[in-house]
Amino acid sequence: AQKVTQAQTEISVVEKEDVTLDCVYETRDTTYYLFWYKQPPSGELVFLIRRNSFDEQNEISGRYSWNFQKSTSSFNFTITASQVVDSAVYFCALDTYSGAGSYQLTFGKGTKLSVIP
Amino acid sequence: DGGITQSPKYLFRKEGQNVTLSCEQNLNHDAMYWYRQDPGQGLRLIYYSQIVNDFQKGDIAEGYSVSREKKESFPLTVTSAQKNPTAFYLCASSFGTMRTDTQYFGPGTRLTVL
Repeated sequence: AQKVTQAQTEISVVEKEDVTLDCVYETRDTTYYLFWYKQPPSGELVFLIRRNSFDEQNEISGRYSWNFQKSTSSFNFTITASQVVDSAVYFCALDTYSGAGSYQLTFGKGTKLSVIP
Repeated sequence: DGGITQSPKYLFRKEGQNVTLSCEQNLNHDAMYWYRQDPGQGLRLIYYSQIVNDFQKGDIAEGYSVSREKKESFPLTVTSAQKNPTAFYLCASSFGTMRTDTQYFGPGTRLTVL
């Protein structure tokens, strides 16, 4: 069965600190996609990244970076020099086959990040 | 601007009443989704639709109903059969339901049943 575990329920950091959000997944598929979304206090989920299982290169986008390790089934997310605007709930998700050629998302329970000024 | 709109942002209803949540998108996406989010929980899929006049149950469809008469619209009705309807409801859309199709989300509707 598909499963996504975000073991960190809540994290608090002081502004400018680096922080890593963990994501561990379980899948029987040999090919799959992983996602990260950000949910600010306003409620809307904002897409951050999609990564396929073929590409194990780390990705960097500004202060954000992602470390995908297939050997440990992890797709961790690091924010460098955190800012107050980074305060949000972050969700990791895994694509799941739902039949008839279509795929859905299995979400982790999220990690609430609070950046303290 | 292209995007997904959900209305209303907050909704209060009395127990036993049906209520319909609106979701509209102008992204020209074929697929649309409804999720439920409870405090401290991830998102759980209620229903999804791959194309007009077609929809499929998700993981927690009991007590909910949907329709897809237009490509742009995917309303969700929370019926009186839903035992615990108070939650945050998120609508999403994507070009299709292939694994490369990223889902984009609306701002959500917070439903409180009194």
